[in-house]
Parts: sequence; structure tokens; C-alpha cells
Amino acid sequence: DAKTTQPTSMDCAEGRAANLPCNHSTISGNEYVYWYRQIHSQGPQYIIHGLKNNETNEMASLIITEDRKSSTLILPHATLRDTAVYYCIGRTGANNLFFGTGTRLTVIP
Amino acid sequence: SAVISQKPSRDICQRGTSLTIQCQVDSQVTMMFWYRQQPGQSLTLIATANQGSEATYESGFVIDKFPISRPNLTFSTLTVSNMSPEDSSIYLCSVPGLGYETQYFGPGTRLLVL
Repeated sequence: DAKTTQPTSMDCAEGRAANLPCNHSTISGNEYVYWYRQIHSQGPQYIIHGLKNNETNEMASLIITEDRKSSTLILPHATLRDTAVYYCIGRTGANNLFFGTGTRLTVIP
Repeated sequence: SAVISQKPSRDICQRGTSLTIQCQVDSQVTMMFWYRQQPGQSLTLIATANQGSEATYESGFVIDKFPISRPNLTFSTLTVSNMSPEDSSIYLCSVPGLGYETQYFGPGTRLLVL
């Protein structure tokens, strides 16, 4: 699995877009980029994943650079409930996940 | 999506004792995973439990310390044996989603060892 690098923490104003970056410069061609988040005292929650193309679902958008060395998770209108630790994971499709340290996002009223 | 429950949700235990954590899924799954999250840390995979075979443990985790049972396709247990304060963590189970593209996590069991 690819090593990923994320900022330790970020703040975002409520109602604004939260853009969470992730570097995965060693990602291989068949590795997907996955994003999970963990709200305090809960188990991790799947957000989105992608391989090459940008992806969007009801929770977020995922923008992957053309060289696939980095990506950005976008929460379009952050709410207080989005305060959590966000994990970016590179994975080949094996079922186990290797979590890094993640980004602690704090949404500020 | 899968609905996962864990018992107990939290416990306080004395050192030297053992605790068995249960994980129940609302659908049949071949694989189940057990993770540990130490205070202030990220998640670390302990082992993968397949029904009908012995669990596969990650480096640093051994069966004698963390025995796992997988009696059927909806249930698994993880035992934390001969506990010490260093075992104080959140223990989580997870299962893969349909197509193995996602994983669903249980709420976790918060363990404090005194």
C-alpha cells in the first residue's frame, strides 16, 4: 500500500468548503485512493474512493491529479458535524486498510 | 451497508485478567477484521478472521495474546488476554462491503486496564 502524507490539522469555517490534501507520490497504477473519517468516539466511516477520475457522491468530491501523486477531498459545505479525523489511504484492493495519522479537521462556527 | 454491533461498548478491567469482545454483523461475510486504536493514535490492524480457518495476525500481534474465534459468518470474538495497562485501547471490528470496495466499522469497545 502507498505511503500517504497529510497535514496534521486544519480548520474550516462552517458553511465553507473544506479542502483536505493528501500526497501519495509512491502510489502504484492499480492502487485506489480511499478516504475515511472518524468522528470522535465512533468507528471510521467510508467517504469516497477513486483511481484516476474525479469522483463525487452525496458526502464529498475527490479530485485526483493527473499524475496521481496527490489528491484533495472536498466537503462542499462543511458543518459542525464534519469535525473529525480524515484518513487518506492508498490501497490495491486488498481488504485490510492501513491507516496513517490523518488530518484533524475542525469546523468552526 | 452492513450494521455492526460490538459488546461490551466499554469496560474497565484489572491487569492480569482477560476480556472477550464480541462483534455481530447483520449479514453474512467471509472476512472480518479486528483493529486496535491506542489513545491518541490511528488504527492498527490486529488480524483478519475468516470463517472456517485460523485468523491471520499482523506483525506484532500473536494468537496467544489476542485469540480470535469465528464460529459463523455473522459473528466473531477477540479476546485480550493477560491484560496490562498498555492494552488500554479502543478495539474495533470491521467487514468488507459488497464488492470489497469499502469497509464498515463497528462502534468500537473502549477498554481501560488498571
